[in-house]
Order: sequence, then structure tokens, then C-alpha cells
Amino acid sequence: AQTVTQSQPEMSVQEAETVTLSCTYDTSESDYYLFWYKQPPSRQMILVIRQEAYKQQNATENRFSVNFQKAAKSFSLKISDSQLGDAAMYFCAYRIPYNFNKFYFGSGTKLNVKP
Amino acid sequence: EPEVTQTPSHQVTQMGQEVILRCVPISNHLYFYWYRQILGQKVEFLVSFYNNEISEKSEIFDDQFSVERPDGSNFTLKIRSTKLEDSAMYFCATVRWFSYEQYFGPGTRLTVT
Repeated sequence: AQTVTQSQPEMSVQEAETVTLSCTYDTSESDYYLFWYKQPPSRQMILVIRQEAYKQQNATENRFSVNFQKAAKSFSLKISDSQLGDAAMYFCAYRIPYNFNKFYFGSGTKLNVKP
Repeated sequence: EPEVTQTPSHQVTQMGQEVILRCVPISNHLYFYWYRQILGQKVEFLVSFYNNEISEKSEIFDDQFSVERPDGSNFTLKIRSTKLEDSAMYFCATVRWFSYEQYFGPGTRLTVT
């Protein structure tokens, strides 16, 4: 069974500092996709970054980067130079490429950014 | 950039009433989904829809729920007889053929009183 675990219900970071959100997943598949979604107070789900499991290089999008450890089934999100607008719920998600039917989401991490 | 839209943004209904939540997918997307998020909890899969039929549904998606594309553009979720525990945020999401991510709508907040 595919499961996604986010062990940090809530985290805080000072503005301009770096924070890392953790995610682990369980799967028997060798090929899959991993995602981080951001959900601000408006509740809109916004894609932050994605990673294809077959790629060894960690994905990067501006201030957001991932540390993808396939053997450890770990997919953490690093936010550099944190901004007040980064405050939100962050969800890790997983899906397998030939199955369009659903994503598996973690329980989320609430990120607070302190000025 | 094209977006998934959902209406209404907030729906208040009495227990036992029927509600229809509407979604307008991005025009060239082929796979459609409904998810539910009870306040403070994780996003849960409800149902996926492709080629005018349900392709998968979760245990949550019982006989009280149904989905359809009545006019080839809107994608609707109907709850026949709402319960208090149906109060949640309902997200529509769509996927383009052979794409990676799901594009989420802004959600409909359903409050059952």
C-alpha cells in the first residue's frame, strides 16, 4: 500500500532563514512522482515542486529545493530565504505514472514564518 | 494561465438536503477528480473520472455521492442527502493527458447544519 507520512505537524522559521520539511513514503513501485503542494489560508492548493523518481538530480524551483533519497524513501522540502508569504500548510504527495487515478497525500505540515 | 474553477465558493445546507458542487476543468484536460479535506485534516481522494465514467472511487464515495459531466464542460459532485460529517472543503482537480501534476481548483467549502 502506498502511504505518505509527514512527521512534523507544525514548524516555525524566522524570516530569511532556511527550513526543511520532512516527508517519507512507502511504495513497492520503482517509478513514481513526488510533489509538494502549498495550501495558504485561502485553501487553494498550489504546486510548489515535483520530482520524478527516475531522476537522480534533486528538483529546484527558485527558493524551493528537494532532497530526494530514493533508497530511504525520503523526500524533504527545503525553503531558503523564507518569506512571510511562505506561511501555509505544505502537503507531500505521491503518485505512480501509469495510474492517473489518484494522488496520495500526507497529513501536512503547518509552516509559520516569524518576522 | 488556465485554471480550474469551482462554484460556489461556500455552500451552507441543512442536513438531509441535496447539494451539487460544480467544477469547470481546464479545457484540454481529460482526467477529473474530487477530493475532500475536513478542516485540519489531510486531503482525501473521493473519486476519479475519465471518458465519462468513474475510474476509481474511495470508501468515502458511497451511494450518497455521484459525479457527472452533464454538458461536456462542467464536472459535478452531487451529495444526495447531506450529513453533518460531510462538512468539508471539496476540491476538484484535473490532469492533462500524460502530464505530471494535478491542477486543483480553489475548493468549495460545504457546511452542513
